[in-house]
Amino acid sequence: QVQLVQSGAEVKKPGASVKVSCKASGYMFTEHYLYWVRQAPGQGLEWMGWINPKSGDTHTAQKFLGRVTMTRDTSISTAYMEVNRLTYDDTAVYYCTKGHFGCDYWGQGTLVTVSS
Amino acid sequence: DIQMTQSPSSLSASVGDRVTITCRASQGIRNDLNWLQQKPGRAPKRLIYRASNLQSGVPSRFSGSGSGTGFTLTISGLQPEDFATYYCLQYNSYPWTFGQGTRVEMK
Repeated sequence: QVQLVQSGAEVKKPGASVKVSCKASGYMFTEHYLYWVRQAPGQGLEWMGWINPKSGDTHTAQKFLGRVTMTRDTSISTAYMEVNRLTYDDTAVYYCTKGHFGCDYWGQGTLVTVSS
Repeated sequence: DIQMTQSPSSLSASVGDRVTITCRASQGIRNDLNWLQQKPGRAPKRLIYRASNLQSGVPSRFSGSGSGTGFTLTISGLQPEDFATYYCLQYNSYPWTFGQGTRVEMK
C-alpha cells in the first residue's frame, strides 16, 4: 500500500533553516509528482510547490520563491523540502502528498515550530 | 491565482442529516477538483477526485458534483465519524488553491 512517512517534529529559532523528509513506498517513486502543503495552527491548507522525482524539476509558489528548496534522492525514494530564514509565521504542520488527479495520498505531517 | 470560495464556513448537523458544501472557483477549472476531509490532528484524506469520482474505500454516502466554476460535496446520511473539516482543492492550474474549509459540527 502507498505510504508517505515524514520526519519528526522540529523546533527552530528564527532565521534558522529546517529540512523535512518524506519517504515514499508502495508505488514507483519516479512516476508521480510530490507536492508540499502546509497548515498553520488553526488555519487552512496552503500549497507550497512540487517536485518531479524523475527529473528533479521543481515549481515553487511565488510566496516561497528564494526561501524554499525541494530535492529528492531516488535511491531511497525520499523527497526533501528545506525552508530557510524561518520566521514565527512558518510555524505549521508541513505535509507531503502524492500527485494523481490532485493529491491522493498524504504523509502524516511534520510540525515545525519556530520559537526563540 | 484561482480563488476558491467555500461555503458555509461551518455548519451544525445531526446524525442522519443530508449535508451540502459548495465551492466556487473564480475561473473555470473544468472538473479538476478534489474534496478532502480532515480530522483534528490528522492529515487530510481525499474523498473525491475529478469533481465527482469517489476515492477507493470512501463510503458511498459521499458524492461530488459540478464542473467549471461551481462544485458541491454532499453527505447523504451524516455519520458520527463524518464530523470533521472539509476542503476543496483545485488542481487545474498552479498555484493549486484550497477553499477556506467547512467545519461540520454536531448539533
